[in-house]
Amino acid sequence: NAGVTQTPKFRVLKTGQSMTLLCAQDMNHEYMYWYRQDPGMGLRLIHYSVGEGTTAKGEVPDGYNVSRLKKQNFLLGLESAAPSQTSVYFCASSSGPMDRVIKTQYFGPGTRLLVL
Amino acid sequence: QQQVKQSPQSLIVQKGGISIINCAYENTAFDYFPWYQQFPGKGPALLIAIRPDVSEKKEGRFTISFNKSAKQFSLHIMDSQPGDSATYFCAASTETSGSRLTFGEGTQLTVNP
Repeated sequence: NAGVTQTPKFRVLKTGQSMTLLCAQDMNHEYMYWYRQDPGMGLRLIHYSVGEGTTAKGEVPDGYNVSRLKKQNFLLGLESAAPSQTSVYFCASSSGPMDRVIKTQYFGPGTRLLVL
Repeated sequence: QQQVKQSPQSLIVQKGGISIINCAYENTAFDYFPWYQQFPGKGPALLIAIRPDVSEKKEGRFTISFNKSAKQFSLHIMDSQPGDSATYFCAASTETSGSRLTFGEGTQLTVNP
């Protein structure tokens, strides 16, 4: 049981390049999330998904796109990277709102992205 | 718009001391308040959580105190240990937001031996 995994761990991009970050979870969770973490700003939600084939915007969605073609995978895309997107990106998953008692989000180890 | 404000930004405590981190929120619809712990190079992990129907929840050395009228909640770490050195995030969510969380800015805790 690997939990939440993220690929790659670290990446350097030049301004204008594109890339896709992959998140995978093996807990059969319905909900998946992409956050970015910047110093002094906590974790900010980029996009999220409440199930296979669904996506929704979070707090800071501009410049990013996502896809959830399979329940276990959630992809985050940067079409044209900018230096402002230099950050640490975390993927998370949760069982969803069905169980009101448990709302725990399980996080992956993160992807460190540097845009030059 | 930061709906959850966390303080202090950093905290240094001696081994055996008490670490206290505070959070304040604006949205009265929040009904779930977790704390996450993050070690360097790792993703955050749930530490402890509370709902507004209780004023305090304790798990081992970790306690959440909740003040609904003041819209504040805090994390107390008793007998702080060097292994507690990490970044701590408070968060909040509403029933209508499903499992989406709004996080505070984070507090970097250092416990000196």
